[in-house]
Amino acid sequence: NAGVTQTPKFRILKIGQSMTLQCTQDMNHNYMYWYRQDPGMGLKLIYYSVGAGITDKGEVPNGYNVSRSTTEDFPLRLELAAPSQTSVYFCASARGSYNEQFFGPGTRLTVL
Amino acid sequence: DQQVKQNSPSLSVQEGRISILNCDYTNSMFDYFLWYKKYPAEGPTFLISISSIKDKNEDGRFTVFLNKSAKHLSLHIVPSQPGDSAVYFCAASPKGLNNDMRFGAGTRLTVKP
Repeated sequence: NAGVTQTPKFRILKIGQSMTLQCTQDMNHNYMYWYRQDPGMGLKLIYYSVGAGITDKGEVPNGYNVSRSTTEDFPLRLELAAPSQTSVYFCASARGSYNEQFFGPGTRLTVL
Repeated sequence: DQQVKQNSPSLSVQEGRISILNCDYTNSMFDYFLWYKKYPAEGPTFLISISSIKDKNEDGRFTVFLNKSAKHLSLHIVPSQPGDSAVYFCAASPKGLNNDMRFGAGTRLTVKP
């Protein structure tokens, strides 16, 4: 039981490049979340999903896109990367909207 | 606009002593509060929570205190152990709803042997 896995662990992007951060969970959780954590700040919700095919914006969605075609996977897409997107990105899953969140180990992204 | 604040970026205590981590919030709609613990290269893991109907919740060595009038909560670890060395995040939400949760910036606790 791997829990929540994220790839890659680290990535350096050039301004304007695009990439997809992968997130997979094997707990059959309906709810999945993407957060970013900037230095000296708390985690902020980017997007979340309540099940396959259903996604919604969080607090800081601009510059990102998501999709949820399966229960297990919730990829986060960055289009036209900007230095402001330099951050650590965490994916999480939960059984329900009020249940404990389980977090992945994070992806450290640097945009230069 | 940081609705959840942890004003101490770091805290160092001796093994066996008490660790007290503090958290303040501004949003009166928050009525469910959590603490997460994070080790390097790992994601945060849930530690303990408290609802606003209580002012204290205990789980082994960990106790969370809530002072609603002051909009303040604290996490007490007694006795502190070297394995407790980690970053601790405070979080708050209305009714415990995950997609409305707000997180503090974290406090790095170091427990010295």
